[in-house]
This record gives sequence, structure tokens and C-alpha cells, in this order.
Amino acid sequence: KNQVEQSPQSLIILEGKNCTLQCNYTVSPFSNLRWYKQDTGRGPVSLTIMTFSENTKSNGRYTATLDADTKQSSLHITASQLSDSASYICVVSPFSGGYNKLIFGAGTRLAVHP
Amino acid sequence: DVKVTQSSRYLVKRTGEKVFLECVQDMDHENMFWYRQDPGLGLRLIYFSYDVKMKEKGDIPEGYSVSREKKERFSLILESASTNQTSMYLCASTRTGTEAFFGQGTRLTVV
Repeated sequence: KNQVEQSPQSLIILEGKNCTLQCNYTVSPFSNLRWYKQDTGRGPVSLTIMTFSENTKSNGRYTATLDADTKQSSLHITASQLSDSASYICVVSPFSGGYNKLIFGAGTRLAVHP
Repeated sequence: DVKVTQSSRYLVKRTGEKVFLECVQDMDHENMFWYRQDPGLGLRLIYFSYDVKMKEKGDIPEGYSVSREKKERFSLILESASTNQTSMYLCASTRTGTEAFFGQGTRLTVV
């Protein structure tokens, strides 16, 4: 069964520190992998999107990496800010499926403390 | 700026009521989706629509129906609300092959 698993489930860091969130997937082949940020009580907002042939993509202080051999992706947040407190969701789109086949991870809940 | 708007942020309904959740997008996207999000489970697809009056079941369609009479509007209907349908509901839209844009979510409580 295609799965996307994220770790850790939750994370607390101090403002200004860096952190890395992990995403392991079994979806193969896949078309693209996305990271979304979801603030509490809001809908997810796209941070990065990578095709299977890309291995890194940056969006400001957010950098996503992809290792298609090990089926792992990570999201690195640099110099964290209080506004980074949110859930981060990894989403994989299987290659053979239509758009409806997006597979969501359960998310990592990040809390940035002052 | 792209926009997906859900009609309510919070709803409280009684068991057995018929509930309508509305979603409108202003991007002329052909694809629209309804998901529910529960703690620890991630987003699960309820229904999606790839054209006006077209709909397909997602992973968890039981207890739900949908309506898409106009391209910009996709409605989720709970025929007879039950307490296990208490959840966060998210609407999304996309042009085929591009990223999804999500609404702000509707937190539904069924009592």
C-alpha cells in the first residue's frame, strides 16, 4: 500500500534555531513530492514542489531535499521564527494516478518558542 | 491572487441534520476536491470533481454526497450528520497537473 510517513510527530524548538523534518514514502513511481504548511485552523499552503528528478528546492528559509533512491525527503527550516509554528505536511503524487491520487502524510506539528 | 473560499469556518449541527458545505474558487480550475482531516490521519479524499456535473468517489465517500452545478462551486452534503463526521473539512482546487490550492477549512462539530 502506498504510504507517506512523517517524523517526528511533533517538535519544539527555540526561535532562531534550525530544524529538519523527515518524510519517508513507499509510493513508486511518483510524479512529484510537495511540502505544505498548515497554520492552526487554516488550509494548507504550498511551500515546495519537486519532481522525481529534482533533489533540492528552496523557498526562502525553507529547503526541501529529495532522495529518490532511499525514498526520503526532508524539509529544513533555517533561523526559525515564531510564525513557523504550524503543521508541515508531505504529499506524494503517484505517477500513474490522476490528481485524485495525492497521498498525504499525517504531518509534523512544529512549535517555535521565544 | 488565487482564492478558494469555504462558506463557514465553524459549524455545529445536530445528529441527523442535513448539512451543506460550500466551496467556491475564482481561478477557473476544472478540478475540485473535498477532504477531511483528523488528528494523526492526514487528509483523506471524500469526493472529487473534474468537470461540471462530474464527480468521483474518493477513499471515504460513505455518508457524503457532492454537487457541482457550476464550475466555480463544489458542495459537500452530509445527508444525515453523525457524530463520527465531526472533523475539519478542506476544499481544494487545481488545474490539472499543477499544485492544489486549499480553502481555509470548515471545522464541523456534530452533537
